[in-house]
Amino acid sequence: DTGVSQDPRHKITKRGQNVTFRCDPISEHNRLYWYRQTLGQGPEFLTYFQNEAQLEKSRLLSDRFSAERPKGSFSTLEIQRTEQGDSAMYLCASSSPFMPSSYNEQFFGPGTRLTVL
Amino acid sequence: DAKTTQPPSMDCAEGRAANLPCNHSTISGNEYVYWYRQIHSQGPQYIIHGLKNNETNEMASLIITEDRKSSTLILPHATLRDTAVYYCIVIKQGGSEKLVFGKGTKLTVNP
Repeated sequence: DTGVSQDPRHKITKRGQNVTFRCDPISEHNRLYWYRQTLGQGPEFLTYFQNEAQLEKSRLLSDRFSAERPKGSFSTLEIQRTEQGDSAMYLCASSSPFMPSSYNEQFFGPGTRLTVL
Repeated sequence: DAKTTQPPSMDCAEGRAANLPCNHSTISGNEYVYWYRQIHSQGPQYIIHGLKNNETNEMASLIITEDRKSSTLILPHATLRDTAVYYCIVIKQGGSEKLVFGKGTKLTVNP
């Protein structure tokens, strides 16, 4: 399967612990996005990479959050000193560089569900 | 990006057309209307997008009013697998890459 993959699918942690999630985009997709979704809400944008450059970050991405895409392929999202409010689904998406500028089709992975106890 | 308004929920009978409305009265000339859907426990999935002309693909049809202040997503023959939350999103051409999701419309297709 060549879709977006995320690991792990589920993570349970205790408050104060650090967690790291991984996203593998579709091959050759140079754009990669992270979103967060809480229960009953639509996904909220966190950050966006084009190749290895992080081009946009949301105010939601506090200093406890850091995202990297060191070689322009997979990406990691780390949350330090987790809080109960961090409990959410963390979604990754990627998109192709070959689409016209008016075309914003993002392919989403299945998400990582984080529970902070 | 313009704000969108959608009904929180809708029901549809299996095999019938599902018509999902979206209001985007503040849309500007260079903003596109996109539809995504999210089936339970999955990531969102792109459906269709348009600027001012009606659009059709293998999944759905998009009807945009002439003044562009509203649109309707049409699933011509809804199936149980179309039960999902449907999001209408307005995106400016050449603007931010991010998708701004509202709460969407929860469509339930009933047997």
